[in-house]
Amino acid sequence: DSGVTQTPKHLITATGQRVTLRCSPRSGDLSVYWYQQSLDQGLQFLIQYYNGEERAKGNILERFSAQQFPDLHSELNLSSLELGDSALYFCASSVFDYGYTFGSGTRLTVV
Amino acid sequence: AQKVTQAQTEISVVEKEDVTLDCVYETRDTTYYLFWYKQPPSGELVFLIRRNSFDEQNEISGRYSWNFQKSTSSFNFTITASQVVDSAVYFCALIITSGTYKYIFGTGTRLKVLA
Repeated sequence: DSGVTQTPKHLITATGQRVTLRCSPRSGDLSVYWYQQSLDQGLQFLIQYYNGEERAKGNILERFSAQQFPDLHSELNLSSLELGDSALYFCASSVFDYGYTFGSGTRLTVV
Repeated sequence: AQKVTQAQTEISVVEKEDVTLDCVYETRDTTYYLFWYKQPPSGELVFLIRRNSFDEQNEISGRYSWNFQKSTSSFNFTITASQVVDSAVYFCALIITSGTYKYIFGTGTRLKVLA
């Protein structure tokens, strides 16, 4: 157990729907990062939050949004889902920057 | 433009052999970080190392070692005396920290260590 908890582990949903992925960082870590891993795009960084504030933004689509709450957990919201959004979504956390500890991921399947 | 190239798509070695995974990066930024991550068959991502652009010292951690050479824009990873448990996909990544942060991942190298 890495200490980073992601829920749910698996998610199957239909195109056009909206889902929320949740991440609880390791205790003491202030930074949360979201990554997407798909067969087409490989591994991509989506977004980073540090202590509630957005710190870095990567290849995150406008249909996607994220936030980090006062208790430091983070949610990644994916809306108007398309088949191409099917991927493994990882969350990672670290004390400051650069994402050291990963969760086990949420596998999203859009049908 | 920033780019990370892992030219070796897949490597197979026999247990106890040494193996080097190549990573070549491109950036004009002077401040950046280089990472290696491991993704075993179970699917989780594991952080291995971070190196900043101002520190060209090589690093050794057990059977793992990293060779950072700015002159050739390379950050190669060597596993000595490989073991079956080293079988995984290894990703190299470049993080630009000047101005807007940018994260660029390589496409990964799949390492198969055969018993």
